[in-house]
Amino acid sequence: DQQVKQNSPSLSVQEGRISILNCDYTNSMFDYFLWYKKYPAEGPTFLISISSIKDKNEDGRFTVFLNKSAKHLSLHIVPSQPGDSAVYFCAALIGGNQFYFGTGTSLTVIP
Amino acid sequence: DAGITQSPRHKVTETGTPVTLRCHQTENHRYMYWYRQDPGHGLRLIHYSYGVKDTDKGEVSDGYSVSRSKTEDFLLTLESATSSQTSVYFCAIKPRDRGINEQFFGPGTRLTVL
Repeated sequence: DQQVKQNSPSLSVQEGRISILNCDYTNSMFDYFLWYKKYPAEGPTFLISISSIKDKNEDGRFTVFLNKSAKHLSLHIVPSQPGDSAVYFCAALIGGNQFYFGTGTSLTVIP
Repeated sequence: DAGITQSPRHKVTETGTPVTLRCHQTENHRYMYWYRQDPGHGLRLIHYSYGVKDTDKGEVSDGYSVSRSKTEDFLLTLESATSSQTSVYFCAIKPRDRGINEQFFGPGTRLTVL
């Protein structure tokens, strides 16, 4: 049973526009959420995170929003750049050590 | 770069054979993890370790065992490989001295079980 879901397997966005990647979860006990970026043939790299006690965290072009009542988080990338083309995974943490990942969204930024 | 290496990077084996994958880290991090990545499933936690000889199961631990006899090495063993274990395996560490819970991943091992 997938506790963290990314319902969009792929997304295409024009360079300079906003990319919005979505993630839904089912377990209300998750207390931390993270986004990772993955290029082919490489391991995932950490992008940005948010605690469950916050609703927004921003780091440069990347902003993560958390809506606990809807059990939904999103990653906004503004402006999108061709180098942002990758697979993005959201992840949720419970108990400090159990990480649950979504299935990933492949983002393509078109120059 | 969190100083994580995985070996081998690629392996092809036959059903029923034992396979051991190695994760090595150079920065004495306490927490280490093994994941597998499969299409349609994302990354799924197999086992993790919170210290030497201290390990626990993840959500897909059946068919896998782990060992950690030294801080720097975390081994994943498939006692008798099956075709369903064909996957890309990632090791990760979580630095405990950070104020956040991010993980750093190794480059991955692509395992094919024929």
